[in-house]
Amino acid sequence: QSVLTQPPSVSGAPGQRVTISCTGAGSNIGAGYDVHWYQQLPGTAPKLLIYGNTNRPSVVPDRFSASKSGTSASLVITGLQAEDEADYFCQSYDSSLSASVFGGGTTLTVL
Amino acid sequence: QVHLHESGPGLVKPSQTLSLTCSVSGASISSGGHYWSWIRQHPGKGLEWIGFSKYIGNPYYNPSLQSRVTISEDTSKNEFSLKLASVTAADTAVYYCVRWAGYGVRGFVDSWGQGTLVTVSS
Repeated sequence: QSVLTQPPSVSGAPGQRVTISCTGAGSNIGAGYDVHWYQQLPGTAPKLLIYGNTNRPSVVPDRFSASKSGTSASLVITGLQAEDEADYFCQSYDSSLSASVFGGGTTLTVL
Repeated sequence: QVHLHESGPGLVKPSQTLSLTCSVSGASISSGGHYWSWIRQHPGKGLEWIGFSKYIGNPYYNPSLQSRVTISEDTSKNEFSLKLASVTAADTAVYYCVRWAGYGVRGFVDSWGQGTLVTVSS
């Protein structure tokens, strides 16, 4: 059971927009700690997608964006492409656990 | 471009100690500005942060693993290592060595090794 809750799977057709949620609590996201997002393509290590809630590394396309509000965060992918099919993870810090924590991951299927 | 590479046994017997080494190139682990860390991924997706080799001068571990974990650095070789004692099947996972950026334990991973699968089995 992960501290940060993500839907196990989402799907969308090419060109569509999908949203992946990450729900936490008052000891992590709700306490104001930053949320970061990673993409894990099949058979590879995760890759940084978003850091500090909304910041995108220069190599990441602007189709990827994220936001945070209250005890939750969201990753939005627009103009869905087949190459976006991957697992996506959120990460934050939890003060009650004194540890960095991850969501359980969401598998994105491009139909 | 920093590159991290894990090495170590892929099979460990229950109750023994898991030992892995991470070789770093393209950056110095003693230069500051980043933290060097281990993360594992259990079969079926879940990611778990294990700890830092150095945080405010000392190693810093996930409290859930603290009693069994040791992470150390060899700056002469630009390497850092993980030891996890008294392993069980629940420690079977892909282990990643990573470079951590941002505000310490509240930060994020900006570089990942390729990962190495460690299976705990007799």
